[in-house]
Amino acid sequence: EAGVTQFPSHSVIEKGQTVTLRCDPISGHDNLYWYRRVMGKEIKFLLHFVKESKQDESGMPNNRFLAERTGGTYSTLKVQPAELEDSGVYFCASSQDFQTTRGEQFFGPGTRLTVL
Amino acid sequence: GIQVEQSPPDLILQEGANSTLRCNFSDSVNNLQWFHQNPWGQLINLFYIPSGTKQNGRLSATTVATERYSLLYISSSQTTDSGVYFCAVERDTGRRALTFGSGTRLQVQP
Repeated sequence: EAGVTQFPSHSVIEKGQTVTLRCDPISGHDNLYWYRRVMGKEIKFLLHFVKESKQDESGMPNNRFLAERTGGTYSTLKVQPAELEDSGVYFCASSQDFQTTRGEQFFGPGTRLTVL
Repeated sequence: GIQVEQSPPDLILQEGANSTLRCNFSDSVNNLQWFHQNPWGQLINLFYIPSGTKQNGRLSATTVATERYSLLYISSSQTTDSGVYFCAVERDTGRRALTFGSGTRLQVQP
């Protein structure tokens, strides 16, 4: 079974440009999450989808970030316009809940974003 | 929000040694996960352990939810165990977000 995949693995852009990151969750996982780790800081939660609906976007830093999950499969995270402080590693995770237990989150390899 | 503290921040071991990593958290949690971040940056799931004890080969973990801590044991360490170990918790609020600790950086020397 394929794990969580992310594209691209690396992206280098200039300040003010737009970047779109993509995440494909594990097949059948309804829950999809975005996290990021900026330089020197902990890994921080950004948002949580259940299927195509945003369940929790309390971690989104500002309105330059837009996440979508049309059709409830893959997700994109767009940063527009990018700023220097957006540099870091963006992780995607997915999980599936069961009848009586919450699901373990599995992480993708991350996208390393560098804003110059 | 919930605080997650990991100790020690750095650890250097000789191959074959045993170690214990600790994760303290400040509030009730629904879930707790341990991850190993390998040299390529990939987060590898080690344990999903909201309570109790689990073992997987040379690794084992124990979570005592009532006392708000978890321990990760590594026995007979190998150089491939090197990397950063993260503890992450899901707070008991209905939200699914994981809150990560700052990690323990482990270096196993041959």
